[in-house]
Amino acid sequence: QKEVEQDPGPLSVPEGAIVSLNCTYSNSAFQYFMWYRQYSRKGPELLMYTYSSGNKEDGRFTAQVDKSSKYISLFIRDSQPSDSATYLCAIRGTYKYIFGTGTRLKVLA
Amino acid sequence: ETGVTQTPRHLVMGMTNKKSLKCEQHLGHNAMYWYKQSAKKPLELMFVYSLEERVENNSVPSRFSPECPNSSHLFLHLHTLQPEDSALYLCASSQERGKGLYEQYFGPGTRLTVT
Repeated sequence: QKEVEQDPGPLSVPEGAIVSLNCTYSNSAFQYFMWYRQYSRKGPELLMYTYSSGNKEDGRFTAQVDKSSKYISLFIRDSQPSDSATYLCAIRGTYKYIFGTGTRLKVLA
Repeated sequence: ETGVTQTPRHLVMGMTNKKSLKCEQHLGHNAMYWYKQSAKKPLELMFVYSLEERVENNSVPSRFSPECPNSSHLFLHLHTLQPEDSALYLCASSQERGKGLYEQYFGPGTRLTVT
């Protein structure tokens, strides 16, 4: 079983839609859960992170962690064409970041 | 230069060549990482250096040889690669201080093609 599972997409949505991106993980020991955004020809950049369970909101983005079901989510409200990118979930251990495959998102104008 | 830089951005090499990838971080961080990113696969952590000491090596073939001469520079020496080694190689750095989350900053990557 992979440590982090993520649907690779691609996912196409119209501008203004609510986007839901999800990952599952297998190791309950990890405490930090992250979402990275990667534009074409660029390295990943940290978008949001949460510690343990709960929600965290930043503008149009909400990250959610449910440790009981080992499920992490990223919601994007009022999606924009500029949100088109690959979104990678990751969990963190000591010196170790375990990434999902990334979900490619395209927001159509 | 700011952030994390990588050179070259693109590299095409034959299976018998020897080449090196270079990474430099301008952030004063104490940990540096090499990742491999292949299509439809998760980012694979290859090597981690903390305070210039290698702390993690994820069973990477010996044809990949890392070098960290100081806390700002990281190299990946390549020799006798295989076509399946073609991928985007990403360098990252972070400031590690034990527990807690310290953001990894990624470079733009080197797109490697092995012919």
